[in-house]
Amino acid sequence: EAGVTQFPSHSVIEKGQTVTLRCDPISGHDNLYWYRRVMGKEIKFLLHFVKESKQDESGMPNNRFLAERTGGTYSTLKVQPAELEDSGVYFCASSQFRSFGTDTQYFGPGTRLTVL
Amino acid sequence: AQTVTQSQPEMSVQEAETVTLSCTYDTSENNYYLFWYKQPPSRQMILVIRQEAYKQQNATENRFSVNFQKAAKSFSLKISDSQLGDTAMYFCALPTQGGSEKLVFGKGTKLTVNP
Repeated sequence: EAGVTQFPSHSVIEKGQTVTLRCDPISGHDNLYWYRRVMGKEIKFLLHFVKESKQDESGMPNNRFLAERTGGTYSTLKVQPAELEDSGVYFCASSQFRSFGTDTQYFGPGTRLTVL
Repeated sequence: AQTVTQSQPEMSVQEAETVTLSCTYDTSENNYYLFWYKQPPSRQMILVIRQEAYKQQNATENRFSVNFQKAAKSFSLKISDSQLGDTAMYFCALPTQGGSEKLVFGKGTKLTVNP
């Protein structure tokens, strides 16, 4: 069974440009999470989808970030326009159940975003 | 708000020795879970071990075990018989409650196992 995949693995863009990150969760996983780790800091939650619905988007930094999960399968995270502080590693994770604490989140390898 | 603190940014250990990574946390919940995740260089983050707060017995997974002290809100990870493949970033994490089981992470500890 394929794990969580993310594309691209690395993206270098200039300030003001647009970038779209993609996450393919494990097949059958209803829950999809986006996290971000800025260099030297904690991994921080961005948002949570249950199927195609946004369950919690409290971690989205501002309206330059737009996440979608059409059809409840893969998800995209668009940053437009990108700023220097958006640089970091963006992780996607998926999980199957909604049983608190017992549900393992499986992480993708991350997308390293560098904004110049 | 829930917080997780890892006070050791980097640690190193000799192969076959034992190392303990520390983690403290804060939560107002009485029943919760705690996780240790591991991210090897250029590889995906994986769950190492899970502890349920209402269980007094410390969780163990092969060479990995935890020392969970609920009153002190401490959750340390012990790696016995360290192997070169244990070289990784280790993150302590606490899931939130209330509809979205998002994880709150510590800053991580970079562990290097030396031959």
